[in-house]
Formats: sequence, structure tokens, C-alpha cells
Amino acid sequence: QVQLVQSGAEVKKPGASVRVSCKTSGYTFTTYSVHWVRQAPGQRLEWMGCVNGANGYTKYSQKFQGRVTITRDTSATTAYLDVGSLRSEDTAIFYCARERELPRGSGIYLFDYWGQGTLVTVSS
Amino acid sequence: SSELTQDPAVSVALGQTVRITCQGDSLRRYFVSWYQQKPGQAPVVVMYGETNRPSGVPDRFSGSSSGMTSSLTITGAQAEDEADYYCCSRDSNGDRVVFGGGTKLTVL
Repeated sequence: QVQLVQSGAEVKKPGASVRVSCKTSGYTFTTYSVHWVRQAPGQRLEWMGCVNGANGYTKYSQKFQGRVTITRDTSATTAYLDVGSLRSEDTAIFYCARERELPRGSGIYLFDYWGQGTLVTVSS
Repeated sequence: SSELTQDPAVSVALGQTVRITCQGDSLRRYFVSWYQQKPGQAPVVVMYGETNRPSGVPDRFSGSSSGMTSSLTITGAQAEDEADYYCCSRDSNGDRVVFGGGTKLTVL
């Protein structure tokens, strides 16, 4: 079965960086993109960016461009989210999600599987 | 500010029908998907491509779209439907993803 399993909670100081991993299994990693979504406490979902599993191409939300890097390791079937220059406002749960186009070529997309979320707390 | 606009909160009496809406110019061109999120849980897709319901989602959930407005309708709302609902689509340029601000559904 398809699974996305994220790394554990992190506590970081302001100005530090954090890496969150998303280990996938149960499907061909290179067939799908993996997206990252942030959710601050009590707040809305925010799309951060994504990585194409096949070619590694990335796209980022303008809000996070320059401070966030998304990569993938096809041999490990894992996607990574790196966030730098952390500030208290970055305290949030970060989710990875697999994007599927269904049917292929239709332009109809959905996030059909999600990771369990990783809480990153930024505090001095 | 979000390019997709949702009402922050909606309430419905148990067993009644409720419509949750999502507005945005990009919806004229791109398909919407809907996600249900319960406290402490990851989001779960309940509708995609306007009217497609994933397997396992009760048939009381339905979707529709007209112009720049997409809607998620729950016919005969149940207590377990109480959750936050988010719409999701592409931005106006079509190359990035955007979520709506979310609607908190209360079942009375």
C-alpha cells in the first residue's frame, strides 16, 4: 500500500535550518510529484512547493522562494524539504503529499496520499 | 491573501444539507479538489475534478462548479462530517498550487 512517512518532530532556534524527510513506499516514486504543505497552529493549509519525482524539477510558492529547497533521492524514494532562516512564525506542521493526475493527461489533480505531518517548533 | 476564497465558517443541523463554496478566477480554467481535515489529522481528499468522489467517501458528498465558483455539498450531514474543508486548485498562471482559506463546518 502507498505510504508517505515523515521524519520526527524538530525544535530549532531562530535563524537555524531544518530538514524534513518524506519516505515513500508502495508505488513507483518517479511516476509522481511530491508536494509540501505548511500549516501553522490553527491556521490554513499553505502550499510551499513540489518536486517532480522523475526529473527533480521543482516549483515553489513565491512566499517561500529563496528560503526553501525541495529535493528528492530516487534511490531512497524520499523527498526532502529544507527550510532556512527559521523564525518563530515558521512553527508549523509540515506535510508531504503525493500528487496524482487522474486520469492521466486530464488536468485533474488531487493529493491522494499524505504524510502524517512533522511538527517544527522554532523557539529561542 | 489567498487566490481562492472560502467562507470561514458554516454550520448545519444534523441531517440537513450544507454547501461549502470556493471562489476564484482560476477556477474558470482549472479543476478544484476538496480536502477534509479533522483536528490533529492530515487532510483527506473528498472530491476532485469538481465531481469525482474517491472510493470510501460517502455518497452524501457531491461537487459542482459554475464559472469562478466551485461547491462541495453534503446532503444529510452527519456528526462525523464536522471538520475543516479546504478547496485546492492551480493559481491564475496554472503552474502553482493554491489552497483556499478553509471553511470550518459545525454540525449542530
